[in-house]
Formats: sequence, structure tokens, C-alpha cells
Amino acid sequence: QKEVEQDPGPLSVPEGAIVSLNCTYSNSAFQYFMWYRQYSRKGPELLMYTYSSGNKEDGRFTAQVDKSSKYISLFIRDSQPSDSATYLCAPDQGAQKLVFGQGTRLTINP
Amino acid sequence: DAGITQSPRHKVTETGTPVTLRCHQTENHRYMYWYRQDPGHGLRLIHYSYGVKDTDKGEVSDGYSVSRSKTEDFLLTLESATSSQTSVYFCAIWDNGHPYEQYFGPGTRLTVT
Repeated sequence: QKEVEQDPGPLSVPEGAIVSLNCTYSNSAFQYFMWYRQYSRKGPELLMYTYSSGNKEDGRFTAQVDKSSKYISLFIRDSQPSDSATYLCAPDQGAQKLVFGQGTRLTINP
Repeated sequence: DAGITQSPRHKVTETGTPVTLRCHQTENHRYMYWYRQDPGHGLRLIHYSYGVKDTDKGEVSDGYSVSRSKTEDFLLTLESATSSQTSVYFCAIWDNGHPYEQYFGPGTRLTVT
């Protein structure tokens, strides 16, 4: 079993929809949880991160961690075509290393 | 932009030939990483470095070696390329000023025929 599991999609939704992206993980020692966004043929960029359990909001994006169920979520409100990208969850493994999920490919249709 | 460049950006090579990919950074970051990205696998760590001449293996290090003789350069070598090493390779740095952020380079697309 991989340490981090993420549904690769692809996921296609209409513009303006609420999008929910999810990961599960197995290592209860993870404390920080990152979400990266990767546009086609580009390197990943950090979108946001959360610490331990709880929510963090940044504009239209909300990251949520439930450590009791080892579940990580990213919600996108009022989705835009410019949000079309691959989204990767990445818990902090410690020792300056991250472990990445497979990534979910998201398309927002105008 | 963390000042990361990768060269070459694209390469086609034949099975059995050696290949070296270069990652260059301009901001004196201590930690540097090499990942490969394949469909269905996400990003997987090949090797990483925590200083000049200090390197360690990642999850998928077989068939790869690295060297770091200067802070700014981290080289990834495929000693004898195989078709299974066809992938997109990303270099990354750990940003000293933002402790939970890795910055990625633009990637190198390698095809082994």
C-alpha cells in the first residue's frame, strides 16, 4: 500500500462548480500537509498547506485535514477554467522530504 | 521563482547510453532533490542532497547516481539508460525561508528508445 493514495481522475466539472479533491494516507506521524498545483508541462507549485487537523482557507481554496481518519481534502469554490491543472497532495515526511500522491487531473469547462 | 534551471529540457537517447541531467540554482539552498514523474505514480523521489558531497537515496534510486560538487549544481546520471527510465524529471529545492515549501524546476523530458 502506498503511503499516500489519491484518485488520479480525470475529473471534469462545469465552471462555477464546487470541486472536492481528496487523499488518504497511512502514516500517522505526518503533521504538515501540502497541496501542489501543476499546470500542463510545468513544474508543481505550492498552493497551500495545513498543520495537523482542521481547516485553512485561502480565497476560493480550502484545505482540510482529518487526522483521525487520515483524510486530506482540498475544496475549490466558484471554480474557474484557470483552475484546470493537476493537484497533488503531499504530506511532510520529515527530514525535509515530502511524499506525493499520484495527483488528480482536473478540468473546468467554461 | 527560486532561480532553478534544468538542462537539457528535452532529450532522446538510446538504450544503454549514459545520460546526465543538470539542475542549477542561484540562491544557495542547501537541500536539492531529483524526482521523476510518470502517469499513475505522481512524483517519486530518486535522490536528494543536503549539502555539497552529501547525498542520499530516495524511493526509486536504482539505476541512478547523483553528484553535488558545488552548492549550485546537482547532477543526475543514468549510467546505462533503459526504456523504463523514460519520464519527466524534476529538480527541486527546499526553500530556507519557507520551511514547508519545495520549489520545482521546469522539468526535463527524457525519452529512451
